[in-house]
Amino acid sequence: EVQLVESGGDLVQPGGSLRLSCAASGFTFSAYWMHWVRRAPGKGLVWVSGINSDGSITQYADSVKGRFTISRDNAKNTLYLQMKGLRDDDTALYYCARAKGDLDYWGQGTLVTVSS
Amino acid sequence: EIVLTQSPGTLSLSPGERATLSCRASQSVSSSNFAWYQQKPGQAPRLLIYGASSRATGIPDRFSGSGSGTDFTLTISRLEPEDFAVYYCHLYGSSFRTFGQGTKVEIK
Repeated sequence: EVQLVESGGDLVQPGGSLRLSCAASGFTFSAYWMHWVRRAPGKGLVWVSGINSDGSITQYADSVKGRFTISRDNAKNTLYLQMKGLRDDDTALYYCARAKGDLDYWGQGTLVTVSS
Repeated sequence: EIVLTQSPGTLSLSPGERATLSCRASQSVSSSNFAWYQQKPGQAPRLLIYGASSRATGIPDRFSGSGSGTDFTLTISRLEPEDFAVYYCHLYGSSFRTFGQGTKVEIK
């Protein structure tokens, strides 16, 4: 059974940093692109970042480019999102998702709240 | 940048009724990279339709997708109680992914 479990969400002050993790199991993690998608309170889904199977290609939404860094450790079956310079509008539930073209499996999300 | 616009924002219907959800792209897109997702409160999004018209594994046949070019449609033939949720269209390319703003299907 495919499972994706996010962790690392927390309350952080504006300008702060946080690292999210996504532990994967039930599939060959190293064979898939992985992505982060977020949903702000009362808003819709927004794609944040993606990384290819070996970590050599990374992609970012313009809103997070230069502040967020996606990475992965295929030996640990884990996806990461390092977030710096956090702003109020980064407050959201952050999901990791597996990509088979489409995003076919999603985790339950981890909540990031940016507030002073 | 390709923008996906969903309509209506909210659809108020009764169980058993037919639901028709629309998603319009700001320019012509490839149907093979177009999908629909369902999200219920407190749950992760679930892939319903991929390639514009193919149902994902385990998705009931009351869900169907159609369309090409700039106009895509998700149809729920007869609403079941568990179908009341928010639905998102989604498009991806070689270096981007984007979602529509969502359509909420609520009980009338």
